[in-house]
Amino acid sequence: DAGVTQSPTHLIKTRGQQVTLRCSPKSGHDTVSWYQQALGQGPQFIFQYYEEEERQRGNFPDRFSGHQFPNYSSELNVNALLLGDSALYLCASGLGRTQPQHFGDGTRLSIL
Amino acid sequence: QKEVEQDPGPLSVPEGAIVSLNCTYSNSAFQYFMWYRQYSRKGPELLMYTYSSGNKEDGRFTAQVDKSSKYISLFIRDSQPSDSATYLCAMSDGSSNTGKLIFGQGTTLQVKP
Repeated sequence: DAGVTQSPTHLIKTRGQQVTLRCSPKSGHDTVSWYQQALGQGPQFIFQYYEEEERQRGNFPDRFSGHQFPNYSSELNVNALLLGDSALYLCASGLGRTQPQHFGDGTRLSIL
Repeated sequence: QKEVEQDPGPLSVPEGAIVSLNCTYSNSAFQYFMWYRQYSRKGPELLMYTYSSGNKEDGRFTAQVDKSSKYISLFIRDSQPSDSATYLCAMSDGSSNTGKLIFGQGTTLQVKP
């Protein structure tokens, strides 16, 4: 039973560029959430997708956007990258919006 | 003030010790409480999931929730070197329109052989 899978595992970009991160949820899960984890900090909620719609958003600018596909997989897009966007981006999936969330191993994004 | 406070440690204990990890929170609407373990260069792994107040035990792990004090704990009995990791507490209000988790900063634990 595959867990949450994320790609790529590591990405290096320069300021001003755009990036797309991908997530496949755990089998049977229909909800995908994205989190940003800075070094030495706990994850910060970006947004959650359910039934292909963004259901709730954390305190992140519009440069952060996402999408959920009919097969429940999801993408996180970040435009106009800033140095401060360097972090581990985590995807979590669950069944419905209140069941425990299971995390992937993340994409480590480095901005030069 | 952060919604969830967690002592970042690091916490170093000898093998076999009982470990106590704690978080305090300010939002009385939180109903769901979780503990995750995160190894270096890995994602958080769900350890314990509890609803409302009370205790929950799973093997060497016991989670306690005291909503009246806004305080949650994770106890690890007979700690092993393989328990060395960062432990994150997380919580949510579980309302019908949100799955947003609020995390603590994480406590780094080292168990020495």
